[in-house]
Order: sequence, then structure tokens, then C-alpha cells
Amino acid sequence: DAMVIQNPRYQVTQFGKPVTLSCSQTLNHNVMYWYQQKSSQAPKLLFHYYDKDFNNEADTPDNFQSRRPNTSFCFLDIRSPGLGDAAMYLCATSRGTGGPGELFFGEGSRLTVL
Amino acid sequence: GQNIDQPTEMTATEGAIVQINCTYQTSGFNGLFWYQQHAGEAPTFLSYNVLDGLEEKGRFSSFLSRSKGYSYLLLKELQMKDSASYLCAPMDSNYQLIWGAGTKLIIKP
Repeated sequence: DAMVIQNPRYQVTQFGKPVTLSCSQTLNHNVMYWYQQKSSQAPKLLFHYYDKDFNNEADTPDNFQSRRPNTSFCFLDIRSPGLGDAAMYLCATSRGTGGPGELFFGEGSRLTVL
Repeated sequence: GQNIDQPTEMTATEGAIVQINCTYQTSGFNGLFWYQQHAGEAPTFLSYNVLDGLEEKGRFSSFLSRSKGYSYLLLKELQMKDSASYLCAPMDSNYQLIWGAGTKLIIKP
């Protein structure tokens, strides 16, 4: 059974039209992450939450926002997508307690901007 | 600064052995992860090393030398399904993963 679920798997939007990507987890993990990954590049961390404590990476554009209404859900909002925002968006979770732990990834949401 | 260096692409033959090297520089160190990523899919966990030495898990093994800032992933008895990108990701003092761009491994029959 999938433990980290992302929706939608594929999202097509028009330039400037807001998009929301969702992530849910059944692992009861404390930490949730949003990564952006472009072809043949390393995943780039956008945000992470430790419980409700929000951490924004310094170079994450203001165009990207995130919400975590409860332990299980996290959302990525792209307010005005540009062509450069076309990418795979990966949600991941980790325990966050008892030392380093592996990240569990969802299947990703691939965003196309027309 | 923080930096990961791994080869961009490698080619190997089905049934053979391949070693993917990774050198890193991070602010602090809390272990190193290797992930496998097939094209268009999310990364999946392969291994975690925090102490020096070799960790073996089936056909895959991972080695770490903290003093040298060096790790490798060893894949034995290569199968066509092993064609994927392999990402080296050390964890820094803030418990954040620092991702390399990955090594694309191409397996030929």
C-alpha cells in the first residue's frame, strides 16, 4: 500500500494560472518535505515541516507557498507558474526523531506549464 | 560550501559489477544515503552509512570513508532493471540531505 500519496500525478497548467499539489502520508511521520526536480538534476529542497514548524529554504521563490493543516497532509501552492517551474515535484516524509532516517517519497507530481 | 561529486553517466554490461563513486563536502555529517531513481519516478532508498566500512545488502553494497569524504555504491550481477540514476546524498549537521545530481547507469545486454 502506498504510504506517501501525491495528487495529481500529472498536472498541466497555463502560464500564470495557480496550481495546488497535494501530499498525504499514512506513516505518521513528523517531517514532510517538498522538493523540485528538473530533468537530470538533483532534487532541490523547497520547504520542510517539522510537525507544524515551517522551514523555508532561502532560495525558494516567493511564488511557492506551502501549507500543512495536519500531520497527514501537506500542500504546495504555485501562485503564478512560469515556464521555468515545469518540473517534477516530490513530496517526502521522515520520522524526524531518534536520529537520521530515510526519506519516503511519493510518486511525484509532474507539472507542465503551457 | 556543500558539494557532491559523482560521475554523470556510466555504462556496464548485464551480469557484470559496477562501482559508482561519490565524494562530498558538507557542513557536519550525519550519515550518507544512496537512492535509486528510475526515469520519471521518485527516488527509492537503497542504503545508509554512518560509520566507516562496507554495508552489504543483497546485490548492492555501500562503502563509506568519513575521513576522505568518500563513498561508493557497488552493484553486482547487474540486471537490465538496474538501469537508473543513482543519487548520493550525505546528511549535514542540520539533518538535511544534500543531493548530488546522480549517476545515470546504462546497462547493456
